[in-house]
Amino acid sequence: NAGVTQTPKFQVLKTGQSMTLQCAQDMNHEYMSWYRQDPGMGLRLIHYSVGAGITDQGEVPNGYNVSRSTTEDFPLRLLSAAPSQTSVYFCASADRGGNTIYFGEGSWLTVV
Amino acid sequence: GDSVTQMEGPVTLSEEAFLTINCTYTATGYPSLFWYVQYPGEGLQLLLKATKADDKGSNKGFEATYRKETTSFHLEKGSVQVSDSAVYFCALSDVNNDMRFGAGTRLTVKP
Repeated sequence: NAGVTQTPKFQVLKTGQSMTLQCAQDMNHEYMSWYRQDPGMGLRLIHYSVGAGITDQGEVPNGYNVSRSTTEDFPLRLLSAAPSQTSVYFCASADRGGNTIYFGEGSWLTVV
Repeated sequence: GDSVTQMEGPVTLSEEAFLTINCTYTATGYPSLFWYVQYPGEGLQLLLKATKADDKGSNKGFEATYRKETTSFHLEKGSVQVSDSAVYFCALSDVNNDMRFGAGTRLTVKP
């Protein structure tokens, strides 16, 4: 059981470049989300999805896009990377009533 | 909106010392409360949780009790080990599964 899988684990981008962080879960969870982790800020919610075809914004959505075409996948897109997006990104999933969230191992992104 | 405030770190303890990391929350409803642990270079792992008032979550010697009257969920361990060195996050989850995290508290345990 792989759980929540994120790729890539490490990435360096130049300002203005675009990229996609991939996230997949094999637990048939309806709820998926993306967080960023910054020193002293804890985890902040970027976007979330309550099911295939449904996405919504979290606390810090600017500069990021998401889509949810299948239950399993929830990619996070940076359209034009900025140094302020240097962070550690975590994908997470949860079932409808479980209210326990399972996290991926994280993606370390540096924008130079 | 809902929020979590936890004790600022870093916290440094000697092995076998008693640990308390304070966590308080603000919520309009009746959230579930969690402690997550993050070991160096890894993702977050659920440590323990409590879903209603007066519930006590426990795991690996750690405990936390959901106190509605004081809106708190303090993490405690009677005797820490070097292997407990990590960052600990307090979090709450509302009925929509939206989670709010505290800023994290880094714990270092010295032999």
